[in-house]
Amino acid sequence: ETGVTQSPTHLIKTRGQQVTLRCSSQSGHNTVSWYQQALGQGPQFIFQYYREEENGRGNFPPRFSGLQFPNYSSELNVNALELDDSALYLCASSLVGGYTFGSGTRLTVV
Amino acid sequence: KNQVEQSPQSLIILEGKNCTLQCNYTVSPFSNLRWYKQDTGRGPVSLTIMTFSENTKSNGRYTATLDADTKQSSLHITASQLSDSASYICVVSAVSTDKLIFGTGTRLQVFP
Repeated sequence: ETGVTQSPTHLIKTRGQQVTLRCSSQSGHNTVSWYQQALGQGPQFIFQYYREEENGRGNFPPRFSGLQFPNYSSELNVNALELDDSALYLCASSLVGGYTFGSGTRLTVV
Repeated sequence: KNQVEQSPQSLIILEGKNCTLQCNYTVSPFSNLRWYKQDTGRGPVSLTIMTFSENTKSNGRYTATLDADTKQSSLHITASQLSDSASYICVVSAVSTDKLIFGTGTRLQVFP
């Protein structure tokens, strides 16, 4: 049984650029959710995908978008990066409510 | 509004001592409550999960309690170790959405 893998682990981007973060879900998990965690804060829900369809979204602008693939892996895309987008981005896969988190991608926007 | 509040915000204790972290929530209708341990820069790792009918659950030196009437939970750490230094996050799910609602966490530091 594999865990949740996120890539890259660290990333530095310039304001205005676009970024894609990736997440491989735990084997058998058909739901993936993404979270943004600013330094010293709890994770904030971005959106969730179930069987390739978005089925829930937090209070994030449209420049945050995502995809889930047939193998249940997922991508988070952020366009027009802003300095405040600097955070740890966490992916969690789940099956019937059992969540497993990845180690996150640390994004720094300069 | 569904909210999860934790206290204290930070805590420093000496190795070997016990401590208790608190979580209050306003999530309704309640589905379950989880405690996670998060090391700096890492993803959260599940410690316990409790449903409405459970009022205590243990995982080694970690014991979580839940009072669904007062909407309060606590996480008690016994005989703390240096490796317990981390953030502890209380997370609540609502029945209607099963989305996770995170508290801001308690930052625990254990010193020798």
